[in-house]
Amino acid sequence: QKEVEQNSGPLSVPEGAIASLNCTYSDRVSQSFFWYRQYSGKSPELIMSIYSNGDKEDGRFTAQLNKASQYVSLLIRDSQPSDSATYLCAVNTPRDYKLSFGAGTTVTVRA
Amino acid sequence: KAGVTQTPRYLIKTRGQQVTLSCSPISGHRSVSWYQQTPGQGLQFLFEYFSETQRNKGNFPGRFSGRQFSNSRSEMNVSTLELGDSALYLCASRRNTDTQYFGPGTRLTVL
Repeated sequence: QKEVEQNSGPLSVPEGAIASLNCTYSDRVSQSFFWYRQYSGKSPELIMSIYSNGDKEDGRFTAQLNKASQYVSLLIRDSQPSDSATYLCAVNTPRDYKLSFGAGTTVTVRA
Repeated sequence: KAGVTQTPRYLIKTRGQQVTLSCSPISGHRSVSWYQQTPGQGLQFLFEYFSETQRNKGNFPGRFSGRQFSNSRSEMNVSTLELGDSALYLCASRRNTDTQYFGPGTRLTVL
């Protein structure tokens, strides 16, 4: 079982729609959860971090965490063409001193 | 505050050669992690250093090595390069177990 799994893409959404990205993780002691955005040929850029159960909103982005279900999600509201990128879910397990990344979900926003 | 810097940004080597990549973390960050990213394998963890000590190592052959200096700057070395080592090598830094920030990466091409 992979440590972090993301819903397979690619995900294509029309401009203005909501893009929904999902991520599950295997280690129950994980404490910190992150979403990174990566444009083609560029390095990952942090867009959201979440540590507690519930929702966290930042502009058009909302991260949701459910530790009981070992599930993290990212919603992108009012999707824009500039949101077209690969989104990486990352989970921090302190005892391993590393971030574990999912394979990423590629999002394309159609104008 | 300046971000994570990596040098060189691009590198072309031939099989059998060795290469050294450099990473300067964000000021005050003592943890430096290295990742290899390829289209087929995604983002794979190489190793993590904290206060000059390697705390974790990914599943890579011994040809991949690294070190960290007292000023937190880090280098990674790949010896006896193979074609499959062509990848984007990313360095990331963080203060402790907090959010990890990535540098721009070094694009290595092995011919």
